Amino acid sequence: NAGVTQTPKFQVLKTGQSMTLQCAQDMNHEYMSWYRQDPGMGLRLIHYSVGAGITDQGEVPNGYNVSRSTTEDFPLRLLSAAPSQTSVYFCASSYGIVQFFGPGTRLTVL
Amino acid sequence: AQKVTQAQTEISVVEKEDVTLDCVYETRDTTYYLFWYKQPPSGELVFLIRRNSFDEQNEISGRYSWNFQKSTSSFNFTITASQVVDSAVYFCALTETSGSRLTFGEGTQLTVNP
Repeated sequence: NAGVTQTPKFQVLKTGQSMTLQCAQDMNHEYMSWYRQDPGMGLRLIHYSVGAGITDQGEVPNGYNVSRSTTEDFPLRLLSAAPSQTSVYFCASSYGIVQFFGPGTRLTVL
Repeated sequence: AQKVTQAQTEISVVEKEDVTLDCVYETRDTTYYLFWYKQPPSGELVFLIRRNSFDEQNEISGRYSWNFQKSTSSFNFTITASQVVDSAVYFCALTETSGSRLTFGEGTQLTVNP
């Protein structure tokens, strides 16, 4: 199993650009989520999904969209990037209580 | 609302010293789960332990041990005889029964010097 994979590893955007961060898992996990990590703030939940076709907002959802058309994939979309979205983004998946994280995407918005 | 506090932002020790990382949590749920994750300099998040709110037994795994005290809402993590490879950021986290929303603490940067 590849586990949780994320692409790209690094990305630089200009303010106002859009992009999609990809997340995939091959463990048939129902639950997937996106977090952002900022210095001194730990990880904060952006959006999560308890199964295909079901998504919900986390603690910091503004500026981000998600969809879950398949069990394997859970992309995170930034429609109009802002400097405040400069962060490291982690995707996670779980079958039970323990969440397993992908390697992260480091995003810089200029 | 749930909250996790790791008051120690940074800790620096010399190799072979014992070190304890503190974690205090707040929740209104009667059933919940607590976790510790390790983030080494390479950046990935590594799951270390899960503890549910009904199990207050301390746990030991090699040089790692965890002390869960419901009375003080604490879930502290001790590394015995620290090694340079233990240098990392350690996160404490909390979730309710469904496990759908993990609340993380701010993290503690542990540096173990040779």
